[in-house]
Amino acid sequence: AQTVTQSQPEMSVQEAETVTLSCTYDTSENNYYLFWYKQPPSRQMILVIRQEAYKQQNATENRFSVNFQKAAKSFSLKISDSQLGDTAMYFCAFTTDKLIFGTGTRLQVFP
Amino acid sequence: NAGVMQNPRHLVRRRGQEARLRCSPMKGHSHVYWYRQLPEEGLKFMVYLQKENIIDESGMPKERFSAEFPKEGPSILRIQQVVRGDSAAYFCASSASGGRTREAFFGQGTRLTVV
Repeated sequence: AQTVTQSQPEMSVQEAETVTLSCTYDTSENNYYLFWYKQPPSRQMILVIRQEAYKQQNATENRFSVNFQKAAKSFSLKISDSQLGDTAMYFCAFTTDKLIFGTGTRLQVFP
Repeated sequence: NAGVMQNPRHLVRRRGQEARLRCSPMKGHSHVYWYRQLPEEGLKFMVYLQKENIIDESGMPKERFSAEFPKEGPSILRIQQVVRGDSAAYFCASSASGGRTREAFFGQGTRLTVV
């Protein structure tokens, strides 16, 4: 079975600090994509960052970066210089033929 | 270029009624995915459709739920004889290609409340 596990239900970080959200997944596929989505209180699903499994280089998008360890099936998200607007639910997901989501991590950024 | 449009945003139904949720994919997208999100939970895959075809319905409940994506018009998720447990947010996503899609774009969801 293809599964995604986010072991941190809630995290908190002070503004301007760095926080890392963890994610592990399980698949027998070799070719897939990994994503982190953000869901603010508006409920809109917003793509934060994307990683292609065949690329060894870790993806970065401004303050967001990932640590992709394919052998360990680990895909953590690092948020640098945290901002109040980063407060949201964060979902890790991967896709072979469809997106499979983890249960999410609620991130609270406080002043 | 409008994004994925879902309507209605909020839908209230009494137990036993039917609920119809609509999803218009992004322009040029022919692949649609439906997800359900229960309170405080992640998104659970329900069904994957391409124009006029159901590709994967492994996440759909066996009874009362159906989905379609006709050649013309939006994709419809239909729930017959709704029960309280159907109360959830339903999200639609679309992509330009199927399979190992590089990115799916999400609508803002329809929050269904069954009273």
